[in-house]
This record gives sequence, structure tokens and C-alpha cells, in this order.
Amino acid sequence: NAGVTQTPKFRILKIGQSMTLQCTQDMNHNYMYWYRQDPGMGLKLIYYSVGAGITDKGEVPNGYNVSRSTTEDFPLRLELAAPSQTSVYFCASRSGENYGYTFGSGTRLTVV
Amino acid sequence: RKEVEQDPGPFNVPEGATVAFNCTYSNSASQSFFWYRQDCRKEPKLLMSVYSSGNEDGRFTAQLNRASQYISLLIRDSKLSDSATYLCVVTHLYNFNKFYFGSGTKLNVKP
Repeated sequence: NAGVTQTPKFRILKIGQSMTLQCTQDMNHNYMYWYRQDPGMGLKLIYYSVGAGITDKGEVPNGYNVSRSTTEDFPLRLELAAPSQTSVYFCASRSGENYGYTFGSGTRLTVV
Repeated sequence: RKEVEQDPGPFNVPEGATVAFNCTYSNSASQSFFWYRQDCRKEPKLLMSVYSSGNEDGRFTAQLNRASQYISLLIRDSKLSDSATYLCVVTHLYNFNKFYFGSGTKLNVKP
């Protein structure tokens, strides 16, 4: 049982480039989330999804886009990368309202 | 005011010590509460949920005080392997999809 899998683990982007961070889970969870964590800071919610075909913005959605075509996959798209997007990105899922998250191992992104 | 506030620490304690962390939250409509553990350069992992009546899991005890709007985590008989950052997390009654994370409290357990 793989849980939540994120790829890539590390990436360096140049300013203005685009990329997609992949996230997939095999637990049949309806709820999926993208967070970013800056050094010494708490996690900030970027986007979330409560099921296939349904997505919504979190606290810091600007500069990002998501899609949820299947229950398993929830990719995060960065368009026109900026240095302010240098961060660690975590994908998470959970099965229901009162349950905690299962996190992926993260993607460390540096924009130079 | 931040949704969730924690003392960043670090808390430096010897092995075998008992250590307690507090976390305060600002929204009285907060509904669910969790403690997560995050090792350096790793993802957060769920340590325990926090129930209204308090709950215990081995050496770990979590308490909730709704009147004063804080939760606590007590670790007894600290082990070297307990060294990590402990994150306090709350959700709201009317928006359970938004988990609010504290910045974390760093614990260093020394031999």
C-alpha cells in the first residue's frame, strides 16, 4: 500500500518556466489537498478537492492550478514560476471530515 | 491574530524527562484537533487526534480545553527518537476542509 505518492522529489526551475507536481493516492480517499511549507512556517493550503471533478481554492492559490479528473490523481500546475514559489510542496489525502491527513513525502522546489 | 499559535521552542530536554507543549487557537468554532509530528526534511505524520475528554496513546497524552481555547501534548519518559517538530492542527465546524497548522514546536531530546 503506497499511500500518497508525489513526484518529483526535487526540482529546480528557472523563472518563468512551468511544471506539474504529481500526486496520486491508492486509498480511495475523496479528499485531497495541496500545501506549501516555507522554512520555519506553518503549512499553507493552496488548493483542495472533495472528489473527482471538484476543486476549490485554499489560502494561497495565486500562481497555481489544479485538476481532479480521477479519485486517485490530483496534480498541481505552476505556470510562470517565480522565486516566491520556492518551497516544499506536500500533497495530502483523507477519508472523511473527522480524520487526519496522510501526507506524501513532498516535492522540494527551487525557482532561480 | 494567527489561527493557531505555538511556542517555536526549541525545548531541550534529557532522555526520560516529561515535556509538555501547548497550542492556542483563535476560533471558538474550531471542531477537530490533531497533533502531528514532523521530522527534519520529512512530511508531517499524524501523531494523535485530540478528543474532548482527553486521550492517551502510550507515552503521549493530549488534552483539549475549549473554554480557554488551547490543546496540549504531554510526552512522558522522552526518548531520543521523540526529537522532532510537533505541529498543532485545528479545523473549523463550518469549513472542515481547511486545516490550520501551527508553525510547530521543536523538541530536542538529549542523551
